[in-house]
Amino acid sequence: ETGVTQSPTHLIKTRGQQVTLRCSSQSGHNTVSWYQQALGQGPQFIFQYYREEENGRGNFPPRFSGLQFPNYSSELNVNALELDDSALYLCASSGHRASSYNEQFFGPGTRLTVL
Amino acid sequence: AQTVTQSQPEMSVQEAETVTLSCTYDTSESDYYLFWYKQPPSRQMILVIRQEAYKQQNATENRFSVNFQKAAKSFSLKISDSQLGDAAMYFCAYRRASGNTGKLIFGQGTTLQVKP
Repeated sequence: ETGVTQSPTHLIKTRGQQVTLRCSSQSGHNTVSWYQQALGQGPQFIFQYYREEENGRGNFPPRFSGLQFPNYSSELNVNALELDDSALYLCASSGHRASSYNEQFFGPGTRLTVL
Repeated sequence: AQTVTQSQPEMSVQEAETVTLSCTYDTSESDYYLFWYKQPPSRQMILVIRQEAYKQQNATENRFSVNFQKAAKSFSLKISDSQLGDAAMYFCAYRRASGNTGKLIFGQGTTLQVKP
């Protein structure tokens, strides 16, 4: 069973640029969630994708957008990068069964630095 | 809105000793899940233990156990027989049981140092 993978591991961008982060979900999982973790802080929920549709969103501006593909892998896109976007971006995958506990399995994250 | 608070930014424990990490939360929901996650320097978030709010019995996983006080909205983690590999950042997290979104709300984290 393959776990959650993310690419790239590290990324350096300059303010105003755009970035795309990628996540491959664990085998058998159809739901992907993205979190932003600033240095020394807890992760903050960005959004969740289920069956290629956004299924919940946290308090993040529209320049944070995402996609989920038919194979359930996902992308996080951030436009017009700001210095405060520097963070570790975590992806988590899970199954999706209504009214049931679905454990989220996290990837190793992508460290984004905005200069 | 639900919130999770960890008031101990750093904790230290001697190897083989016991340590307790504190967490409080705020919610108006009656049914929810609470979690403790471990994040080592490798950054990968690992689930340590989970508690369903409707269960009165405290969850236990080997050396890890929780003290869940629903009325006080308190959820502490006890690590017994601490090992060097337990050194990491620990996060308390909350998730609603209802709804389709598995959104986790995390606390600020507690860095645990284990001294040999």
